[in-house]
Amino acid sequence: KAGVTQTPRYLIKTRGQQVTLSCSPISGHRSVSWYQQTPGQGLQFLFEYFSETQRNKGNFPGRFSGRQFSNSRSEMNVSTLELGDSALYLCASTRTGTEKLFFGSGTQLSVL
Amino acid sequence: AQTVTQSQPEMSVQEAETVTLSCTYDTSESDYYLFWYKQPPSRQMILVIRQEAYKQQNATENRFSVNFQKAAKSFSLKISDSQLGDAAMYFCAYTLGADSNYQLIWGAGTKLIIKP
Repeated sequence: KAGVTQTPRYLIKTRGQQVTLSCSPISGHRSVSWYQQTPGQGLQFLFEYFSETQRNKGNFPGRFSGRQFSNSRSEMNVSTLELGDSALYLCASTRTGTEKLFFGSGTQLSVL
Repeated sequence: AQTVTQSQPEMSVQEAETVTLSCTYDTSESDYYLFWYKQPPSRQMILVIRQEAYKQQNATENRFSVNFQKAAKSFSLKISDSQLGDAAMYFCAYTLGADSNYQLIWGAGTKLIIKP
């Protein structure tokens, strides 16, 4: 069974640009979560989607948004990039009732 | 608010020996789940072990076991017969499961160094 797939692995952007990250969950997993990981703030929850609906959102500005498609694939978008958005963005998927989250390898975003 | 604390930023152990990583958490809930995740240099977060709070029995996965003390809100990870491949960042995490839409609260992590 394929794991959680995140694309791209690396991204370099400049301030003010926008970026879209993609996440394909494990087959059969309908819940997809996103986390931001930085050396200073550690791991922080961004949002969670289930059946194309955002059910939970962390404490991030509105520049961070996401969506989920009918096949459970998810995208997150960051608009008007700031230097502080440089981070590893991790996506996780889970099957309802298991309470086990499986993670992808992440997208390393560098904002210059 | 729930919090997770890992007080050891870095630990080192000789290959083949045993090491214990500490984790404490704060919650007013009675039903929750605790995890240890491993993050090697490849950056992928790998689930090591999972504990349901309603189970008194400590979880075990091969060389990995936990000491879950619910009253003390402590959840330590013991790695036996340490191997070079165990070198990684280890994160302790907490969730209410479906009640919180699987949102994980994370500790700051412990870097584990294995000495050959």
